[in-house]
Amino acid sequence: AQTVTQSQPEMSVQEAETVTLSCTYDTSENNYYLFWYKQPPSRQMILVIRQEAYKQQNATENRFSVNFQKAAKSFSLKISDSQLGDTAMYFCAFQRSSNTGKLIFGQGTTLQVKP
Amino acid sequence: NAGVTQTPKFRILKIGQSMTLQCTQDMNHNYMYWYRQDPGMGLKLIYYSVGAGITDKGEVPNGYNVSRSTTEDFPLRLELAAPSQTSVYFCASSYSGGSTDTQYFGPGTRLTVL
Repeated sequence: AQTVTQSQPEMSVQEAETVTLSCTYDTSENNYYLFWYKQPPSRQMILVIRQEAYKQQNATENRFSVNFQKAAKSFSLKISDSQLGDTAMYFCAFQRSSNTGKLIFGQGTTLQVKP
Repeated sequence: NAGVTQTPKFRILKIGQSMTLQCTQDMNHNYMYWYRQDPGMGLKLIYYSVGAGITDKGEVPNGYNVSRSTTEDFPLRLELAAPSQTSVYFCASSYSGGSTDTQYFGPGTRLTVL
């Protein structure tokens, strides 16, 4: 069975600085997909970024980028130029390549951006 | 488009009561999902559906039932509520189950069982 682990329950960063959130996962599969979701206090789940395991290039979306280390089964999220609106809970998620869309989530990391 | 809508937003149940959480999407998505989120934890999949008339269990299906009679609606039924079902419930949908298809989430239903 696949598992996703986020070992940092809480983190904080000063506005405009850079922060990295960690995620590790366990799977025996070769093809899969990884995601970072953001959940602000409104509870709305928002997709931040996705990564296909067969792609070596790390995904980037504006201020958000990932460091995908397939051999180490590591998938960290870097937020550059942190903004107050980035304050939220962040979830790492895993999806098999079986096309059912089922997501397995980590426990989450609460990020506080301080002014 | 309203996206994914869920009703009610909040509900308090007594142990042993039953209720149905409603979920509707207007994006003509084939795939729909029910997740639960316990305090301070990630989401866990309860049930999912790949189309009308087709449902399957997720990680934590015990104590729940679903049906999918139309493409738009995917209600979640709790038959005998227990305190362990106190959680926030999220419905989500996507066009297909592929990784490039974004799952759109509803705003959630906060359920408390006393």
